[in-house]
Amino acid sequence: SQQGEEDPQALSIQEGENATMNCSYKTSINNLQWYRQNSGRGLVHLILIRSNEREKHSGRLRVTLDTSKKSSSLLITASRAADTASYFCATDYSWGKLQFGAGTQVVVTP
Amino acid sequence: ETGVTQTPRHLVMGMTNKKSLKCEQHLGHNAMYWYKQSAKKPLELMFVYNFKEQTENNSVPSRFSPECPNSSHLFLHLHTLQPEDSALYLCASSQGATDGNTIYFGEGSWLTVV
Repeated sequence: SQQGEEDPQALSIQEGENATMNCSYKTSINNLQWYRQNSGRGLVHLILIRSNEREKHSGRLRVTLDTSKKSSSLLITASRAADTASYFCATDYSWGKLQFGAGTQVVVTP
Repeated sequence: ETGVTQTPRHLVMGMTNKKSLKCEQHLGHNAMYWYKQSAKKPLELMFVYNFKEQTENNSVPSRFSPECPNSSHLFLHLHTLQPEDSALYLCASSQGATDGNTIYFGEGSWLTVV
């Protein structure tokens, strides 16, 4: 399967700390995307990084991509209670076809 | 608001019932999707439509029947479901099958099969 696999499955941190989660995948990709899902809601796109990019920033989010290791990481800096959610990586393996992982559940306590 | 609206938000149905989930997108997109999300499992892509034509069916049982009458509307018709079909069903849309395709999701329909 092409789907990404997130690690860790769950992460609990305090406000102000950084949260880092990783994604590994198996075959070549066009791009990799990260999505966020609040409990019981739909997924919201956060950031896209192309296969020829190594790092990308968006506000408090930093994404890295290492195609040689087939892995990506999402860093949320200075976390807030509102960042509590599940985070999913999605690999674009064939012109817009995305495969999602099982997600990392992040809990940020005040 | 993501521009993708799903109804109903919650549905309880018996195994012999017939029901439908509805999805509408107001983003002018050309592709629409159905995903299934079960607890502790990755999102499963069920169906993809591009310009109203079905381009992907990921071995979904025939008790799930999609319908895409136009690029803005997508239905999932449900018939003789099993309890293990209980899940969150997410509709999504995007510009189309292109590089850099970003998907916009609806809020989902929670389905419980009893």
